[in-house]
Amino acid sequence: NAGVTQTPKFRVLKTGQSMTLLCAQDMNHEYMYWYRQDPGMGLRLIHYSVGEGTTAKGEVPDGYNVSRLKKQNFLLGLESAAPSQTSVYFCASSPGGRTEAFFGQGTRLTVV
Amino acid sequence: GDSVTQMEGPVTLSEEAFLTINCTYTATGYPSLFWYVQYPGEGLQLLLKATKADDKGSNKGFEATYRKETTSFHLEKGSVQVSDSAVYFCVSLELGGFKTIFGAGTRLFVKA
Repeated sequence: NAGVTQTPKFRVLKTGQSMTLLCAQDMNHEYMYWYRQDPGMGLRLIHYSVGEGTTAKGEVPDGYNVSRLKKQNFLLGLESAAPSQTSVYFCASSPGGRTEAFFGQGTRLTVV
Repeated sequence: GDSVTQMEGPVTLSEEAFLTINCTYTATGYPSLFWYVQYPGEGLQLLLKATKADDKGSNKGFEATYRKETTSFHLEKGSVQVSDSAVYFCVSLELGGFKTIFGAGTRLFVKA
């Protein structure tokens, strides 16, 4: 009963380094999302996907790229990490329509 | 644009006190509304939802009613417990199904 799984759970990067966050869901959901959570700001949408092979920009896409080569996976990449990208990142998936999204446990990323 | 506004926290209550967390939304369409809860160090979990006017969502003693006339979805619980200490997010989901708007979150502390 895995639901939405994010890896890694924690990561520390140096400024300028790159990394990829992996999100996997086993619920056959069409929609997947990447959010970042910062204190006092709720969750902000970075990128989302409405199906395999599709991606779209959200509210704060700069500095991030995404790919959805397989329906169950949604990858978030940071090409050149900056301290402003220090945050907690959440992946979510949903079947679409008026139903709720299901969230992963989050990835805490610190860029020094 | 669409937005969700919820009362600022933190909210501190004694065990068995009555809880209200206010939430209002603006939307061009007719969104679904949700309350999510985030316990320390965890992801967001759906607490309750409502998809049309006058619907009442309820779960674990919490409830909220979708009020179209006041564009509100206030969260209430008659008697809070220490275990209810968490951050609560009010969320709207547009009719199209992927534009999700989060409130900033309200942190609740319940003292024994």
